[in-house]
Amino acid sequence: GAVVSQHPSWVICKSGTSVKIECRSLDFQATTMFWYRQFPKQSLMLMATSNEGSKATYEQGVEKDKFLINHASLTLSTLTVTSAHPEDSSFYICSARVVGWGSGELFFGEGSRLTVL
Amino acid sequence: AQSVAQPEDQVNVAEGNPLTVKCTYSVSGNPYLFWYVQYPNRGLQFLLKYITGDNLVKGSYGFEAEFNKSQTSFHLKKPSALVSDSALYFCAVRDISGGYQKVTFGIGTKLQVIP
Repeated sequence: GAVVSQHPSWVICKSGTSVKIECRSLDFQATTMFWYRQFPKQSLMLMATSNEGSKATYEQGVEKDKFLINHASLTLSTLTVTSAHPEDSSFYICSARVVGWGSGELFFGEGSRLTVL
Repeated sequence: AQSVAQPEDQVNVAEGNPLTVKCTYSVSGNPYLFWYVQYPNRGLQFLLKYITGDNLVKGSYGFEAEFNKSQTSFHLKKPSALVSDSALYFCAVRDISGGYQKVTFGIGTKLQVIP
């Protein structure tokens, strides 16, 4: 299957700093990537859809200036949590859909656990 | 709007017994349906999907799921549970009408296989 790599797996930062999370499709091209946030014992909440070469589409209630998404190439999307606060602590997961795979199953990264002190 | 319901927060089953994890969905058009598994502090792994054709879909690790259009269900099953199957399972749906790309996930069901 297609492989999605996410880095870092764990990150701890101080309140007020910014953190960047990378999502790479290793063996396929991904024109579209998705960023999710998962709270403990809850489902995945779609934050935004990242489109290569264009602006991301954010879900209602997600602050675009807080969660900056860049999809500069067909294999890389980044999520930057700006001026992080403790309430931003969460598990962030990216996923990608293989170009041309009409059935549309998503391939997920391993997730990034963010802890803001 | 599309939605997925997983009515059970947790399912407990003895090792070697058959297991079922329930899922019902709601879409306006034709659905693509998926099951994913998540181990602690890990991303989701794809198990199986229903697109069209045979209502019984076979996937990874011996899992299968049955699409039932009249009941709008897509329950996950396995004939004989293993302790290593203990994890969090997510059902997901994508409404393919109109080129809609979003996938909606259920809240997840924790499967506990007891030795």
